[in-house]
Amino acid sequence: GGIITQTPKFLIGQEGQKLTLKCQQNFNHDTMYWYRQDSGKGLRLIYYSITENDLQKGDLSEGYDASREKKSSFSLTVTSAQKNEMAVFLCASSIGLGGQNTLYFGAGTRLSVL
Amino acid sequence: GEQVEQLPSILRVQEGSSASINCSYEDSASNYFPWYKQEPGENPKLIIDIRSNMERKQIQGLIVLLDKKAKRFSLHITDTQPGDSAMYFCASGAKLTFGGGTRLTVRP
Repeated sequence: GGIITQTPKFLIGQEGQKLTLKCQQNFNHDTMYWYRQDSGKGLRLIYYSITENDLQKGDLSEGYDASREKKSSFSLTVTSAQKNEMAVFLCASSIGLGGQNTLYFGAGTRLSVL
Repeated sequence: GEQVEQLPSILRVQEGSSASINCSYEDSASNYFPWYKQEPGENPKLIIDIRSNMERKQIQGLIVLLDKKAKRFSLHITDTQPGDSAMYFCASGAKLTFGGGTRLTVRP
């Protein structure tokens, strides 16, 4: 089986700071995703990528950038952290795009902004 | 984009009883409806799914029903156990839009 590794596990930032979250998968999956999960709430899609160097905006892309430089890695940048922001960012991958393909999730990066 | 409504957001049941979670979607072209379970501190994991050519699917104590005409699908957990306590998410659509989640608590 494969694994999705997200780094860091915990990220504390300052208001206005640019923050980068990283994700690596060894499933050899084509599609990767970044979701945001606010406390006790659903998963909202920020960005996804169907192949190396591809980027597609999700419903929540404003305020974020993403980069898929290699098939195995997908990074997310918070362009300007918002004060008191707290959320979990989940990376996922699947063989193909969404529907009919199982998503495998990483353990998440927990962001707190002071 | 696709909208998926999931209800209830909080569900508390007694051990041994059944729990039901309902989802509705908008995109009539959706043909795949998975359910993910997220235990406290863990990442979401697929527990059961149903495709549009089926109306009912059961895996052990998990039952999924799909009503394509009404654009609704539901998860039913029979004989709930404390280990079923978790967040549950439904999803639908080409990019897998997730519902808002249901926090299920099973009381011993």
